[in-house]
Amino acid sequence: DAKTTQPPSMDCAEGRAANLPCNHSTISGNEYVYWYRQIHSQGPQYIIHGLKNNETNEMASLIITEDRKSSTLILPHATLRDTAVYYCIVKAEKLVFGKGTKLTVNP
Amino acid sequence: DGGITQSPKYLFRKEGQNVTLSCEQNLNHDAMYWYRQDPGQGLRLIYYSQIVNDFQKGDIAEGYSVSREKKESFPLTVTSAQKNPTAFYLCASSKIDLRAQPQHFGDGTRLSIL
Repeated sequence: DAKTTQPPSMDCAEGRAANLPCNHSTISGNEYVYWYRQIHSQGPQYIIHGLKNNETNEMASLIITEDRKSSTLILPHATLRDTAVYYCIVKAEKLVFGKGTKLTVNP
Repeated sequence: DGGITQSPKYLFRKEGQNVTLSCEQNLNHDAMYWYRQDPGQGLRLIYYSQIVNDFQKGDIAEGYSVSREKKESFPLTVTSAQKNPTAFYLCASSKIDLRAQPQHFGDGTRLSIL
């Protein structure tokens, strides 16, 4: 499975968009990009995933570059409840979790 | 509501004792997984199962055992051979296309050694 690189922490103002970057330069053609988040002491929550095209759901948008070597998760209007650790994962068959990005949404 | 239920939420183990963590899902998912999370770390895969009566070792299977007798259930036993069992244990399930289907997680069991 390809390795991902994320910044260890980010801050965002409440109501603003949160843009979380992820580098996955060794991604293979059949590997999907997944995003999960984990609020302290809870199980990870699935957010979104994609292969090549940009994706959007009720929680977030996923922007994947044309060469697929990086992606950005966008939370369009961050709230205090979005404070969590966000994991970017490249998955062929099994999930490999790194340390993620700790996003803090400030009032 | 459909989901994944892990029990108990907190578990304490004495030295030399085996303990079993329960994981049940009613999502009709074929695949189930067990992960371990240590403080400040990401998740590491212990075991996974794609079908009843079959399972595969993950990255850190030593000291653990599993069974998959029913589609809905995937219990994890932490044996006395696991020398550092204190951790947060997470169970997940997914549809069978392991690449394209997301895993959905339970709320975890926190295991501590007395």
